[in-house]
Amino acid sequence: EPEVTQTPSHQVTQMGQEVILRCVPISNHLYFYWYRQILGQKVEFLVSFYNNEISEKSEIFDDQFSVERPDGSNFTLKIRSTKLEDSAMYFCASRQEDETQYFGPGTRLLVL
Amino acid sequence: GNSVTQMEGPVTLSEEAFLTINCTYTATGYPSLFWYVQYPGEGLQLLLKATKADDKGSNKGFEATYRKETTSFHLEKGSVQVSDSAVYFCALSDRGSGGGADGLTFGKGTHLIIQP
Repeated sequence: EPEVTQTPSHQVTQMGQEVILRCVPISNHLYFYWYRQILGQKVEFLVSFYNNEISEKSEIFDDQFSVERPDGSNFTLKIRSTKLEDSAMYFCASRQEDETQYFGPGTRLLVL
Repeated sequence: GNSVTQMEGPVTLSEEAFLTINCTYTATGYPSLFWYVQYPGEGLQLLLKATKADDKGSNKGFEATYRKETTSFHLEKGSVQVSDSAVYFCALSDRGSGGGADGLTFGKGTHLIIQP
């Protein structure tokens, strides 16, 4: 069964450093998403991406964040200058035309 | 704005007990509703969904009915197993109903613990 994959599974970084989180969505899906879950809190929507551009973003997704689909398979989330409060689990998701989103296993980011 | 409220956990039950996890929502349109499950160390997996009022989603013995009049989507299972221990998230999408929001809105999650 096709699935969304994410790398790395864990990342530790120093405050102020740039990080890139990678995702490979399900191959025939067209809509892509990033969410985050701060420890003990709810899963929060960050951004959606379709047809090579951002279709929606939340207020969390400020200028420090960017997304890219650099080739036909990868979908990346970049945090330019990490802050302590960026420590969270980051989930990628994708979907076809219906509303059902399929999630990856997540990347746990720890900013020190 | 949209919101989802779930009962607080952890919920601890004995094996073969009946399970209910409450979920209520507020939304601008007529959303689609979802239950996702997160097993320890894993990502979010879709458990079931319902896209319109009175629809019942079901999977792996779990059921939830979309109740528009009470804005609820409670998750139930008649006889739980130890392997059902996980965190359960209720979520909504109102993208298809004119609400416009593309991202899912999640509840805080309910940690379910099943004891043998």
